[in-house]
Amino acid sequence: GENVEQHPSTLSVQEGDSAVIKCTYSDSASNYFPWYKQELGKGPQLIIDIRSNVGEKKDQRIAVTLNKTAKHFSLHITETQPEDSAVYFCAATSNSNSGYALNFGKGTSLLVTP
Amino acid sequence: EPEVTQTPSHQVTQMGQEVILRCVPISNHLYFYWYRQILGQKVEFLVSFYNNEISEKSEIFDDQFSVERPDGSNFTLKIRSTKLEDSAMYFCASSEALLAGNNEQFFGPGTRLTVL
Repeated sequence: GENVEQHPSTLSVQEGDSAVIKCTYSDSASNYFPWYKQELGKGPQLIIDIRSNVGEKKDQRIAVTLNKTAKHFSLHITETQPEDSAVYFCAATSNSNSGYALNFGKGTSLLVTP
Repeated sequence: EPEVTQTPSHQVTQMGQEVILRCVPISNHLYFYWYRQILGQKVEFLVSFYNNEISEKSEIFDDQFSVERPDGSNFTLKIRSTKLEDSAMYFCASSEALLAGNNEQFFGPGTRLTVL
């Protein structure tokens, strides 16, 4: 089955700096890669996703890159703000699965200090 | 904005008891999911459900677990005889039909299950 590895497990940055979180996946059939933000006591919220037919996607301060050959994808947050502090999860899945089960990484706890 | 809702927010039960966790998916979504997150660990897939049957299930989803869509709005997860290790946050999610571009999964706020 799919195995998603995520690094780092914790990340602390100064407000205004950039943050980068990296994930690798094992199943070459995976073709959909969402990123979720989870705040304390809440469910995961989708913040951006990328499909295997593109290499990069950007939405304001957030961008995701995908390298299919190396089987890794990354989340980039620029101009970080204290409200970006949360746990971020990457995930991977394939539409060859009948159920689109998301395989999550272990999460990155991001702390943005003022 | 439409959202997935879950009840209760917190459920405390004794080991061996049955629990039912309830979810109301987004109204025009056709795929439904249950995930769980043990404290401090990653989110794990349990089961997906489409057209009134299970599409896929993980090894975690054993005979103690079942899912049901009893009416047009609710989606439930039943644990027949709870164990201590079932203590976790349980998330329901839903997504639109499996067309390209429509498989984003939207998560509910979760039900924290505590088994004593």
